This record gives sequence, structure tokens and C-alpha cells, in this order.
Amino acid sequence: KAGVTQTPRYLIKTRGQQVTLSCSPISGHRSVSWYQQTPGQGLQFLFEYFSETQRNKGNFPGRFSGRQFSNSRSEMNVSTLELGDSALYLCASSLVIAGRTTYEQYFGPGTRLTVT
Amino acid sequence: AQSVTQLGSHVSVSEGALVLLRCNYSSSVPPYLFWYVQYPNQGLQLLLKYTSAATLVKGINGFEAEFKKSETSFHLTKPSAHMSDAAEYFCAGTYSGAGSYQLTFGKGTKLSVIP
Repeated sequence: KAGVTQTPRYLIKTRGQQVTLSCSPISGHRSVSWYQQTPGQGLQFLFEYFSETQRNKGNFPGRFSGRQFSNSRSEMNVSTLELGDSALYLCASSLVIAGRTTYEQYFGPGTRLTVT
Repeated sequence: AQSVTQLGSHVSVSEGALVLLRCNYSSSVPPYLFWYVQYPNQGLQLLLKYTSAATLVKGINGFEAEFKKSETSFHLTKPSAHMSDAAEYFCAGTYSGAGSYQLTFGKGTKLSVIP
């Protein structure tokens, strides 16, 4: 079974621009979570989507948004990019049973975003 | 709020020596706990998980971890380090929110293996 895929793997943007990252979960996984990884702050939870609805959100500004499609694929968008948004953005997928996400999260390779 | 603390941002061991990576959690209710490994330029790979069944959990690549409620700890061990174990290791815990489980991560421990 194919793992979580993320595109693109690397991205360079300029301050003020916006960016969209894509994530395809493992087949059959309907929950998708996003995390930001930086050397200073470590791994931080951004948000989680299930059935095209955001179920949980971390402590990030409104510039960070996401969505999920009917096929469970997810995108996250960052508007008005700042230098501090440079990070590795990781997507993880999970099985959902009876409406509850199971414990294991399976991660993709990440998208390395550099803001100049 | 729940937190996960990893003691030691960098640990060095000799090849063949015991690996011990420390993790403590703070939560009034024992969370579900995980260890992940990250190799350079890659995502996170699940090593093992504790979900309130057995307190001694065995994972992949010879790693295991023991959940100790009295010490609020979930330390990761491997009897004999291999060069391929050099990577960064993250301890993580979950709590339920709105039917989902978001992961709270420790800061990570970078493991170096000396030949």
C-alpha cells in the first residue's frame, strides 16, 4: 500500500506571496493532519481534517488554512508568507473507525518551504 | 495542557552499546504515547506505541519502550546500537479533541552512533 505523499517536496517563495501544499493520504485513511517543523519550535500541530471538515486546530494565525476534498486528499495554504514560515510541513494520515481517529498517524516525507 | 519532555537534545553512543532515550509526559490522565524516528530529509516513521495495553512495548528495528505511570516516563531503549540507528527521535503523546487525536511532540533527541 502506498504511503502518504506530499507535493511539492521543495518550494522557495518570497515574502508576501502565498503557497499551497498538497497531501494524499494512505488509501482508506480519511483523517489528515498537518504539522509544522522548525529548528526553534520543533513539531507543532496545525490542523486536522476529516470528512472535508476541520475537526481540530492548533495555535497558528489565520494565514494558515486548509481544506480536504471528498477523496480525502488535503491541501494547506499559507497566505502573506513571512520569513518565519520557512519550515518543513508534514502531513499525516490516520484511519477513522466509528467516527474516531485511531491512534497511529503515518507521516509523509514533508514539503520543505523556504521563504526569502 | 499536556506536554512531552525529552531529556538530552543529543545523545552519542558507541556501536554495540545500549541506547537509552528519555521521555517524560505531563498529564493528569496517561496519554497514548509514541516514539517516532526521523532520518535526514525524510518524514517521521512510527517506531512503537503505547495505548494502555502492555506497559512494555516492542517496536521495529529492535527498539522497545516501557511505560511507567509512577515516573510519568516512556523511555526508549535498544540493547545494541547500530550505525543505521543514527537519526533524530521524537516522543509524542496524544489527547482526544473533538474525536481526533493531535500529537504533542517532544523537542527531539539526535542520536549519534560512533563506530
